[in-house]
Amino acid sequence: GAGVSQSPSNKVTEKGKDVELRCDPISGHTALYWYRQSLGQGLEFLIYFQGNSAPDKSGLPSDRFSAERTGGSVSTLTIQRTQQEDSAVYLCASSFRTTYNEQFFGPGTRLTVL
Amino acid sequence: GENVEQHPSTLSVQEGDSAVIKCTYSDSASNYFPWYKQELGKRPQLIIDIRSNVGEKKDQRIAVTLNKTAKHFSLHITETQPEDSAVYFCAASRGAQKLVFGQGTRLTINP
Repeated sequence: GAGVSQSPSNKVTEKGKDVELRCDPISGHTALYWYRQSLGQGLEFLIYFQGNSAPDKSGLPSDRFSAERTGGSVSTLTIQRTQQEDSAVYLCASSFRTTYNEQFFGPGTRLTVL
Repeated sequence: GENVEQHPSTLSVQEGDSAVIKCTYSDSASNYFPWYKQELGKRPQLIIDIRSNVGEKKDQRIAVTLNKTAKHFSLHITETQPEDSAVYFCAASRGAQKLVFGQGTRLTINP
C-alpha cells in the first residue's frame, strides 16, 4: 500500500513568516511522529500522537511550534514566526504497533528560512 | 530521559569486509532497538530491529546483537557491497513512544 506522504517536499520562506507542513500517515496507523533533521545531523524528536491520547509535545523546541492531528489521520506541523535556525528537513513517521515501535518515515519537507 | 550514543561517526571499509557500528543507551526500560539506513537525500529506511526479549537477530548479511545488561547493541554488516554506503542510525524506544536516535555513522565502502 501507499507509504507515508508529506507536502510540500520543499518550502522556502522568509524569516518571520508562518509555515504549515502536512503529513499523511499510512492508512490504519494509530501513531504519528514528527522529527527534525538538520544538515548532516541526527533525527530530533518533536511531537508524537497516539490514538486519542494527549500528544507528547516534549520535543517541541519553542512555543512557535505546534501540531495537530485531525480525525486520527492527517497531521499538520505549524511553525510561527520562522527563524533561520528552523531550517531543516522535517520528517513524519507513522506506526501501527503499540508495543514495539516500527516507524515508517515519509520523504520529508525541506524547509529553508531566508 | 533516554540518551543514545553511537560510534564511530564515520567508517570506511573495503568491499567484501565486515562493518560494525555500536550504540549504547541509558534507559533500562527501553525495549525496542531499530536500525535505519539513510541514503543521501532520501528518507530513513528501517533495515533491521531487535526487541528486548531477544539477544541476536539476523537478516541475510545484516545482524544486530543486544546486551541488555551492558545496555548496548550493535549492527553487523558482512560481505559489504558498494550499495551499503549510507548513513546508519541506531535508535531506542520504550513501547510505542518516541524513538531516540544516535548521531549516525557514515559508512563508506571502498571498491
